[in-house]
Amino acid sequence: DAGVTQSPTHLIKTRGQQVTLRCSPKSGHDTVSWYQQALGQGPQFIFQYYEEEERQRGNFPDRFSGHQFPNYSSELNVNALLLGDSALYLCASRPGQGFFYGYTFGSGTRLTVV
Amino acid sequence: QQQVKQSPQSLIVQKGGIPIINCAYENTAFDYFPWYQQFPGKGPALLIAIRPDVSEKKEGRFTISFNKSAKQFSLHIMDSQPGDSATYFCAASDQSGAGSYQLTFGKGTKLSVIP
Repeated sequence: DAGVTQSPTHLIKTRGQQVTLRCSPKSGHDTVSWYQQALGQGPQFIFQYYEEEERQRGNFPDRFSGHQFPNYSSELNVNALLLGDSALYLCASRPGQGFFYGYTFGSGTRLTVV
Repeated sequence: QQQVKQSPQSLIVQKGGIPIINCAYENTAFDYFPWYQQFPGKGPALLIAIRPDVSEKKEGRFTISFNKSAKQFSLHIMDSQPGDSATYFCAASDQSGAGSYQLTFGKGTKLSVIP
């Protein structure tokens, strides 16, 4: 049973460019959240998608946007990249209904903005 | 109101020791408190979690102690092993609202267990 799959593993972009990160949730999970983890810090909540809609958003600018597809996979888009966007981007999934056992995290995408 | 404060930032113990990591929260609406373990190059993995209706929970060598009145909780690792060397994060969430269950994380504790 595959867990949460994220691609690509690593990415280097230039300041001002746009980037798209991808996530496939764990089998049986239909809710996807994205987190940003700066070096030496804990993950910070960006937003959550359920039933193809953004359900909740953390304190991130509109440059961060997302999408969820009918197969529950998700994309995170970041426009006008800043040096400060360099971080590990984590995708986490869980079942939308039923008892909450906890999130399953992917291994993340390491984004470096130069 | 959303902060979770974690200490210490780093911890070195000898094999067999009992490292203790502490967290404190402010938001009284938090009602789910998980601990995550993260190895370099990997995402966080859920270790153990507690809800405020109990004061202690044990799973294997990992124990959470919870003090609702003090708004504090801690992780104890019994008989620590070099393989436990990782970064540990406490987190909290409010599961009583619309159900987004977003996690608020502490800043992490880097644990090193030396042989």
